[in-house]
Amino acid sequence: EIVLTQSPATLSVSPGERATLSCRASQGPTFKVAWYQQKPGQSPRLLIFDSSTRVTDVPARFIGNGSGTEFTLTITSLQSDDFAVYYCQQYYTWLWTFGQGTRVEVK
Amino acid sequence: EVQLVESGGGLVQPGKSLTLSCAASGFPFTRHWMHWVRQAPGKEPVWVARVNGYGDTTEYADFVEGRFTISRDNAKHTVSLRMHSLRVEDTALYYCVRRLLEAGVYDVWGQGTMVTVSP
Repeated sequence: EIVLTQSPATLSVSPGERATLSCRASQGPTFKVAWYQQKPGQSPRLLIFDSSTRVTDVPARFIGNGSGTEFTLTITSLQSDDFAVYYCQQYYTWLWTFGQGTRVEVK
Repeated sequence: EVQLVESGGGLVQPGKSLTLSCAASGFPFTRHWMHWVRQAPGKEPVWVARVNGYGDTTEYADFVEGRFTISRDNAKHTVSLRMHSLRVEDTALYYCVRRLLEAGVYDVWGQGTMVTVSP
């Protein structure tokens, strides 16, 4: 089973600033990583898959990058709607697994 | 509109049973593997079980240990998760999710149904 480690656990950012979230896989190489956003009381929402492919209707400020075992999600200019918990997920090998999440909060 | 709507959660005692249901609409149901994913409060999502489009292939997380059964009714566009011998650690919000056709990710999530196992 691949373990995903996300860092930091909490990221404090001011609106308009850039946020960079990291996800490290215990095994690789792979590009089969996805990112989800979850707001309080809501279900997770798929943002990006195959490391960098944005899902339809996801704003361009969400940028996924990485390969091998290191992956990042960058939010180039945080909007008020972006403060949430973000999870990475790998589907390189079965069993697909999620990271423990990064909370992006208002600084 | 693509939609998944779960039902059937509730409060049960350890050792009891519960059946969750998921009604799907707005997409070609039989083309998609369907999964159940659970999320304990404050924790990351964890995969529970999956069933293929025909309903003849199923798989479960190790922690299920034969206690759960996933099934689907393609005529009714529903997915079910029958859970027996429930444990306190099964307490979580259970999501019915659709696997994206082209990748092993979950592109549609229901709103979830809460299962609480408590003495």
